[in-house]
Amino acid sequence: AQKVTQAQTEISVVEKEDVTLDCVYETRDTTYYLFWYKQPPSGELVFLIRRNSFDEQNEISGRYSWNFQKSTSSFNFTITASQVVDSAVYFCALSENNYGQNFVFGPGTRLSVLP
Amino acid sequence: DADVTQTPRNRITKTGKRIMLECSQTKGHDRMYWYRQDPGLGLQLIYYSFDVKDINKGEISDGYSVSRQAQAKFSLSLESAIPNQTALYFCATSPGRGARGDEQYFGPGTRLTVT
Repeated sequence: AQKVTQAQTEISVVEKEDVTLDCVYETRDTTYYLFWYKQPPSGELVFLIRRNSFDEQNEISGRYSWNFQKSTSSFNFTITASQVVDSAVYFCALSENNYGQNFVFGPGTRLSVLP
Repeated sequence: DADVTQTPRNRITKTGKRIMLECSQTKGHDRMYWYRQDPGLGLQLIYYSFDVKDINKGEISDGYSVSRQAQAKFSLSLESAIPNQTALYFCATSPGRGARGDEQYFGPGTRLTVT
């Protein structure tokens, strides 16, 4: 069965610092999909990124970047020059197919960005 | 208007009461899901539905039932609420087809408290 581990329960940084959120996954499938979601204090879940297992290129979107390494089964998320608005719980998730039924979330990492 | 809506947004009920949480979507997606979120545990899948006639149990379905009244509506019922069902409940949808069939879109959540 698939599993997602986010070893960092809580992280605190000062504004403008860079921060990396770790995600390690387990799956037996060769085809799978990885996701990151953000849950701000207001509670909703915001989709950030989807990456399939055949695409190991790193991705950058503004201050956000993702490092996917199949060799270590990791899909880490870096926020550059963090801002107070980045304070949220971040979830990594894994889907073993693109049909949606085997969708597993990690426990989340709570990021606090202090002014 | 939000694509995925949940009612009620907050509910306090007493042990033993029957309660229904409702979810509606305007995304035209075939697949709908119910999750619960407990602190430190991420999201756990309760039930999912691939279409109106296809309903499946998730990892924590005991104590819950669902009804898919239409493509756009998926309700979750607690037949006899108990305090450990106090949690934040999320409804989600996904297309179920195409290259991004598993990409899930979440409602705003329902905070349920069972006293």
